Amino acid sequence: EVQLLEAGGGLVQPGRSLRLSCAGSGFIFSDYAMTWVRQGPGKGLEWVSVISGNGDSTFYADSVKGRCMISRDNSKNTMYLQLNSLRAEDTAVYYCTRDWQSGGSSYGSVYWGQGILVTVSS
Amino acid sequence: QTVVTQEPSFSVSPGGTVTLTCGLNSGSVSTNEYPTWYQQTPGQAPRTLLYNTNIRSSGVPDRFSGSILGNKAALTITGAQADDESDYYCLLYVGSGIWVFGGGTKLTVL
Repeated sequence: EVQLLEAGGGLVQPGRSLRLSCAGSGFIFSDYAMTWVRQGPGKGLEWVSVISGNGDSTFYADSVKGRCMISRDNSKNTMYLQLNSLRAEDTAVYYCTRDWQSGGSSYGSVYWGQGILVTVSS
Repeated sequence: QTVVTQEPSFSVSPGGTVTLTCGLNSGSVSTNEYPTWYQQTPGQAPRTLLYNTNIRSSGVPDRFSGSILGNKAALTITGAQADDESDYYCLLYVGSGIWVFGGGTKLTVL
């Protein structure tokens, strides 16, 4: 069974940094692209960033580009999202997702973690 | 800026059929955008309904179906049930490694 478990959320002050992690199990981690999706309070889903299976390719939404870095450690079956220069509008539940198709590139998220809350406030 | 469009809200009667759509402000949607559909109820993580346009995710009943209708992706629910009342989101690949969600459709069953 595919399982995704996010960690690292919490309350952080504006301008500070935070690193989220996502541990995957039940599948060959390195075979799949992984994606971060977030949802602000009362808002819709927002695609944030994707990383290919081997970590060589990364892409970001304009809203986080330059402030955010996605990475993965396939030896630990874990993906990360480093969030820098945090703003109030980054407050959201952050979801880790896995693609449906193996092969490294992204073809669409199918499996979801339960999400982790990040609150940016002084 | 690429915008993915969805109806903000829709209503369907119990037992009825409803089609929700997902479009692009920059042009037509085809299978090349790998349309994916999600269902979300308040306080819960999204649930994947359909991916790659029309492939049902594990455990999703066959009254949920996906297609391309005209220049949009479409999610059709036949025989709507009370517990179909949810928010529905589509996700499209817009090129250069980037994906974009639609704003979501709030479906009411009454």
